[in-house]
Amino acid sequence: GESVGLHLPTLSVQEGDNSIINCAYSNSASDYFIWYKQESGKGPQFIIDIRSNMDKRQGQRVTVLLNKTVKHLSLQIAATQPGDSAVYFCAENKIQGAQKLVFGQGTRLTINP
Amino acid sequence: DAGITQSPRYKITETGRQVTLMCHQTWSHSYMFWYRQDLGHGLRLIYYSAAADITDKGEVPDGYVVSRSKTENFPLTLESATRSQTSVYFCASTTGLYNEQFFGPGTRLTVL
Repeated sequence: GESVGLHLPTLSVQEGDNSIINCAYSNSASDYFIWYKQESGKGPQFIIDIRSNMDKRQGQRVTVLLNKTVKHLSLQIAATQPGDSAVYFCAENKIQGAQKLVFGQGTRLTINP
Repeated sequence: DAGITQSPRYKITETGRQVTLMCHQTWSHSYMFWYRQDLGHGLRLIYYSAAADITDKGEVPDGYVVSRSKTENFPLTLESATRSQTSVYFCASTTGLYNEQFFGPGTRLTVL
């Protein structure tokens, strides 16, 4: 069935290093892929999205890569900081406008000092 | 600038009782959503609304009822709570023009 999932449930990196969080998806019909960050005790917060006709998009300290051939999505965080510690979710959407997002299960990122 | 708020933040109830979770947003966003978050399942969409008086089912709607008489409010009712509905519930809203949804702080519901 349709699903969005994550390769690793946890990731631990040193402060200052780069982090890469991966996500696999199975629905080729999805047109948008989105990353959310959820800090402990808070609701998810939008980070960045990418349309299926793109393979790379950059934001502030973050880059999302999309490989449609292998249905793989990744979020790269440069020079990680303690504030980056959170659970990261990928999500997919068939139509821009955020109806019926399908979320993956999340990866917990821990930044070690 | 209140944004999106949820109440109560914590709720303990008993099996069979009716519970209503409130969601209020001050942005006049057209779309509003209810999700539940359980360990191992991530976020799952319960119901969503594209505008006042327009609602539609999400992935896990059974046991829940929603209404949207006003644009700013989107209450979620559990008509007869069950233990399987113990979860953290998030409300979200968006304009519908972009992929960004704005989430509330969540309500932790425990059904005994």
